[in-house]
Amino acid sequence: DTGVSQNPRHKITKRGQNVTFRCDPISEHNRLYWYRQTLGQGPEFLTYFQNEAQLEKSRLLSDRFSAERPKGSFSTLEIQRTEQGDSAMYLCASSRTGSPYNEQFFGPGTRLTVL
Amino acid sequence: GNSVTQMEGPVTLSEEAFLTINCTYTATGYPSLFWYVQYPGEGLQLLLKATKADDKGSNKGFEATYRKETTSFHLEKGSVQVSDSAVYFCALGESQGNLIFGKGTKLSVKP
Repeated sequence: DTGVSQNPRHKITKRGQNVTFRCDPISEHNRLYWYRQTLGQGPEFLTYFQNEAQLEKSRLLSDRFSAERPKGSFSTLEIQRTEQGDSAMYLCASSRTGSPYNEQFFGPGTRLTVL
Repeated sequence: GNSVTQMEGPVTLSEEAFLTINCTYTATGYPSLFWYVQYPGEGLQLLLKATKADDKGSNKGFEATYRKETTSFHLEKGSVQVSDSAVYFCALGESQGNLIFGKGTKLSVKP
């Protein structure tokens, strides 16, 4: 069990550029979640997948954001035309099932800075 | 919608002091409740959880009891150590499985 991994760990980009982050969940976990955390705040839910199906998207996820999980394995989160307000830590988590009682295992996050 | 409110920090304690971090929630139904911890330079990890009213979650000397009547899930530890210095997040599990987090409370324990 190598845990949840995220790449890159840090990303600095200029406003208007596109960025893509990757998350590799724990291998037997079929649920994958994306959260965003800004300074001094708790993580906020963005979206989640059960296997390859994206089942829910938060209203925080604007049209510039898109997430995929091909083949139900790793997931990518893309932000198009980045804005300074997108600067945050993007967290990925996975769990064994969709039960609200199940522990979610979090990755170390990708810190995005938009200049 | 569902929400979590936890006491704001930072909280600074001396080693062996008693710790309480307050957490209250607003939710429809009876959600599961969690405390997650983030040590410096590390990712979020589950500290403890409770899935129904009157359940007590415990781990590493920390405890929290799910109180339906006061909609609370306060975190306590009888004697903190320097190694407990971290940011603590109270969270609520929604029916679809995602978590709603509080803003976090930073704890610093001085020797």
